[in-house]
Amino acid sequence: NAGVTQTPKFQVLKTGQSMTLQCAQDMNHNSMYWYRQDPGMGLRLIYYSASEGTTDKGEVPNGYNVSRLNKREFSLRLESAAPSQTSVYFCASSEFLGTGGGGANVLTFGAGSRLTVL
Amino acid sequence: AQRVTQPEKLLSVFKGAPVELKCNYSYSGSPELFWYVQYSRQRLQLLLRHISRESIKGFTADLNKGETSFHLKKPFAQEEDSAMYYCALETYSGNTPLVFGKGTRLSVIA
Repeated sequence: NAGVTQTPKFQVLKTGQSMTLQCAQDMNHNSMYWYRQDPGMGLRLIYYSASEGTTDKGEVPNGYNVSRLNKREFSLRLESAAPSQTSVYFCASSEFLGTGGGGANVLTFGAGSRLTVL
Repeated sequence: AQRVTQPEKLLSVFKGAPVELKCNYSYSGSPELFWYVQYSRQRLQLLLRHISRESIKGFTADLNKGETSFHLKKPFAQEEDSAMYYCALETYSGNTPLVFGKGTRLSVIA
């Protein structure tokens, strides 16, 4: 059981180049997410997909696009990379665990992708 | 809007000393609160969630609705507890994604 798999692990881009971060999960989760992690800023949500066929903006969506290709895969695309997008990117998926009539999503994270934009 | 505040960027304690990582939230409804942890060179992972009322690796966290806090505590810190800790909030319905705090790096000194 691989869980959440992200590729690539590391990438160096020049300003203006484009690239796609790939994410796949094998846990049959409905919801998937892309976060970025920056020192002193914590984890900030870029985009999420509550179910196959839907995507929604998070806190910091500018400069990014996403595609929920199917239930397993959720990709993040940088069309024209900027130095401000240098970060560690985490993909996650979640299952809704309910107790006593309520519940919440518990996230499983990928290993992260370290992106440097020069 | 929901918000999570972790006031300390870095917390250093000696091995065997008590640890308290602070987390305050703002949300008018019934929150679901979590602590996630990232050990060096490992993935972010769930440490505990308040509704489970469990103790994981000696850590506990109590939801205080009056003070809107969910502080993480451990009576005796171990070196292996050194990590980045994130407090996170979700609305009770689970319809909105988790909101994370900025994180606290815990360093346990031998």
